[in-house]
Parts: sequence; structure tokens; C-alpha cells
Amino acid sequence: LAKTTQPISMDSYEGQEVNITCSHNNIATNDYITWYQQFPSQGPRFIIQGYKTKVTNEVASLFIPADRKSSTLSLPRVSLSDTAVYYCLVVRAPSNTGKLIFGQGTTLQVKP
Amino acid sequence: ETGVTQSPTHLIKTRGQQVTLRCSSQSGHNTVSWYQQALGQGPQFIFQYYREEENGRGNFPPRFSGLQFPNYSSELNVNALELDDSALYLCASTFGQDSYEQYFGPGTRLTVT
Repeated sequence: LAKTTQPISMDSYEGQEVNITCSHNNIATNDYITWYQQFPSQGPRFIIQGYKTKVTNEVASLFIPADRKSSTLSLPRVSLSDTAVYYCLVVRAPSNTGKLIFGQGTTLQVKP
Repeated sequence: ETGVTQSPTHLIKTRGQQVTLRCSSQSGHNTVSWYQQALGQGPQFIFQYYREEENGRGNFPPRFSGLQFPNYSSELNVNALELDDSALYLCASTFGQDSYEQYFGPGTRLTVT
């Protein structure tokens, strides 16, 4: 599976839009990009998944360019409660197992 | 619909001992995966159980074993505990063996002294 690279940490202020970019240069045709969020003392939570172009849900948007070698998670108007670790994962479908491979993630600190 | 629960919340064991961690899957989910998360790191896949059979394993030795029961609850057993086994152990449930939208529990914090 393609290795992912994302910034170790980011700072933002309440009300700002936050964009976290993930690099996955060796992504394969049947790979999808998936993002998880993890708050302190909790398990990770699925945020969004996409294949190409743009996907939006009630939590975030995911932008994937045509070459799919990177993706950007966009969090609109963050609040203090968005302080968490955000993981970018590349997953392959179909698969015999839903094995998730997590990297170190990006620690987002939202300040008042 | 209840979420994924794990017990105990915290546990302290001595090197060489054995430990059993428990997970109750979300209602209707037939697949459970276990992950180990060391401090400051992302979760690492241990194994997955689908319909009570092991269905995929990460790079963990055989002293890590598991069970899934007909009611979809599950256990993670670790024998001959080592200091490096100290970590947060997470279980995640989902429906289907290849789903990437998994629902994680809050974890069990294991400390080995």
C-alpha cells in the first residue's frame, strides 16, 4: 500500500478553515483515501473517504486532484473541540480484510 | 443502538503475566479488529475476526491471540507480557470483513511493569 506523509502538527484559531494535506505518491488504481480523527483518550473516528475530485459531508471536505498523489482534508470554521489527531490512510478495495494502516497523523491544536 | 465498549479501562500487569481484554461490538456488527497504540504513535493492526474466525493478522507474535463469540463480543489475550506491550489497546467493529469505516471503542490502557 502507498505510504502516506502528512505534517506532524498544525496550529489554528477558532473560526478559521484548516486544510491538512497528505501525500501518497505511490497510490494504486484501486486505492481509496480515508481520514480518521482521534481525540485524547478515545479511539479513532471515521471522518470521510474519497477516490477522486471532491467529497463533502457534515464534518469535512476531501479534495483529491486528478493525479491522486495527494489529498487535502478541509475542516470549515474549526472550534476548540476540533483539537485532535487526524490520520490519512490509503485503503485498498476490494480486500479480504479491512486492515487499517495508521501513520503518526497530524496533531491539530485549535487556539481561542 | 449501543456503541463499542471495552473493559477494563485501565490495567496494570507484571512482566511475564497473561492478560485478557474484552470488547463488545456495536449492535449488528459481525467483524471486530484489534489495534495496539503506543504513546504518540498511530494504532497498529493486530488482527481481525470475522464470523468467529481470524481473518487477517498484523506483525504480532503468536502470544497475541483472540476470540470472537456468537454474540459478536470478543477478547484479546496476551501471554508472557513484555514491557513493550504497554499501550492502549483498541477494538473496532464493523459489518463485513472488508469495511474501512470502523467503529472504535475507547480502548484499554495496559501498563506492564
